[in-house]
Amino acid sequence: DAKTTQPTSMDCAEGRAANLPCNHSTISGNEYVYWYRQIHSQGPQYIIHGLKNNETNEMASLIITEDRKSSTLILPHATLRDTAVYYCIALSGNTPLVFGKGTRLSVIA
Amino acid sequence: GAGVSQSPSNKVTEKGKDVELRCDPISGHTALYWYRQSLGQGLEFLIYFQGNSAPDKSGLPSDRFSAERTGGSVSTLTIQRTQQEDSAVYLCASSLSPGLRSDGYTFGSGTRLTVV
Repeated sequence: DAKTTQPTSMDCAEGRAANLPCNHSTISGNEYVYWYRQIHSQGPQYIIHGLKNNETNEMASLIITEDRKSSTLILPHATLRDTAVYYCIALSGNTPLVFGKGTRLSVIA
Repeated sequence: GAGVSQSPSNKVTEKGKDVELRCDPISGHTALYWYRQSLGQGLEFLIYFQGNSAPDKSGLPSDRFSAERTGGSVSTLTIQRTQQEDSAVYLCASSLSPGLRSDGYTFGSGTRLTVV
C-alpha cells in the first residue's frame, strides 16, 4: 500500500473551513484514499473515502487531484469537537488499514 | 448491536498473568480487526479475521498473543504471561466486507490494559 505524508499538526479557527492535506505520490490505480479521525480517548472514526472522483458526505468533502498524487480533506465549518488526529490512508484489496502518525488538528475558539 | 462492543473497558493485571479481551462486532460484519495503541503512540495492527479464511496474524508482536473468532462473530484476544510493555488500549473494529469498500471500519471503545 502507498505511503502517505501528512503535516504533523494544524490549527483552525472555529467556524472556518479546515483543509487537511495528504500526499500519496506512489499511489497505485486500485488504491483508495481513506480518511479517519481519532478524538482523544476514543476509537478511530471513519470519515470518507474515494478513488478518483471528489466525494462529499455529511461530515466532510474529499478532493483528489487529477493525478491522484495528493488529496485534501475539507471540514467546511470546523467546530471544537472536530479537534482530533486525522489519518489519511491509501489502501487496496483486503489488506487491513495501517495507520500512520496523522495530523493533529486543533480547532481554536 | 448498534456498534462494536468491547469488554472489559478497563483491566488491571499483574505481570505474568494471562488476560482475555473480548470483542462483539456489528451483526453481519464479516471482517474483524484488532489493533493496540500504547500511550501517546499510533495504532498498531495486530490481527485480522475475514469470514472463514485463515486469520492474518502478521501484526502479533510475540507468541504470547493469540486471538480466535468463534462462529464468525465474537472474538477473543488472549495475552499470556503479560509484561509491562503490553500496557495499552486494545481496539477492535469490524467492517461489512473489506472488498466492498462501501463503508469503513467501525471501532469499539477499546479495552485499557494496565500491567503492574
